[in-house]
Amino acid sequence: QQQVKQSPQSLIVQKGGIPIINCAYENTAFDYFPWYQQFPGKGPALLIAIRPDVSEKKEGRFTISFNKSAKQFSLHIMDSQPGDSATYFCAASPNYGGATNKLIFGTGTLLAVQP
Amino acid sequence: EAGVAQSPRYKIIEKRQSVAFWCNPISGHATLYWYQQILGQGPKLLIQFQNNGVVDDSQLPKDRFSAERLKGVDSTLKIQPAKLEDSAVYLCASREGQNNEQFFGPGTRLTVL
Repeated sequence: QQQVKQSPQSLIVQKGGIPIINCAYENTAFDYFPWYQQFPGKGPALLIAIRPDVSEKKEGRFTISFNKSAKQFSLHIMDSQPGDSATYFCAASPNYGGATNKLIFGTGTLLAVQP
Repeated sequence: EAGVAQSPRYKIIEKRQSVAFWCNPISGHATLYWYQQILGQGPKLLIQFQNNGVVDDSQLPKDRFSAERLKGVDSTLKIQPAKLEDSAVYLCASREGQNNEQFFGPGTRLTVL
């Protein structure tokens, strides 16, 4: 119940394409769903996040789609660029804003955007 | 604003040896996390501190891992004795107040031979 399942494991797209990464969860207590971006040799950095009271959130070229009934959420990267090549992690948290807030991460998706 | 600092960046030890990692969170961040990231996997929480108190250490292998944050600022994570399966990147993260965003350091890559 504490797992977050992420797919695909790796993804190759051409520049300008729209990679889509999917995540699924089971614990209905999760109430905060961030996406983190990680470059080699660096720690993860927050990219965008969503709460279950909205179905979509857009920040620049990054969009999260959220389906509460299916317990699934996905990341879309519009007009992808070679600089977007990185590992992307979805995550979920059961205690939004609380002192015990902790993140459960998916297994990651290695994205390569070819020029 | 300076980010989360970690040292060392790399460490190679032999099994059964001990090792310690250090983390200095962003100034003013009361919450500090240690994660273990095994190659090809997502980070897994080991321990969470709120100031100098432990909030969650349910996934910390307490027979060999220990962590402290004595003055509520910087923190150390120790492994004693190390096993081959401890080879991973150890990430430190911090969070400010009720803000949900966690800021990660660059990590320490541990190789146990």
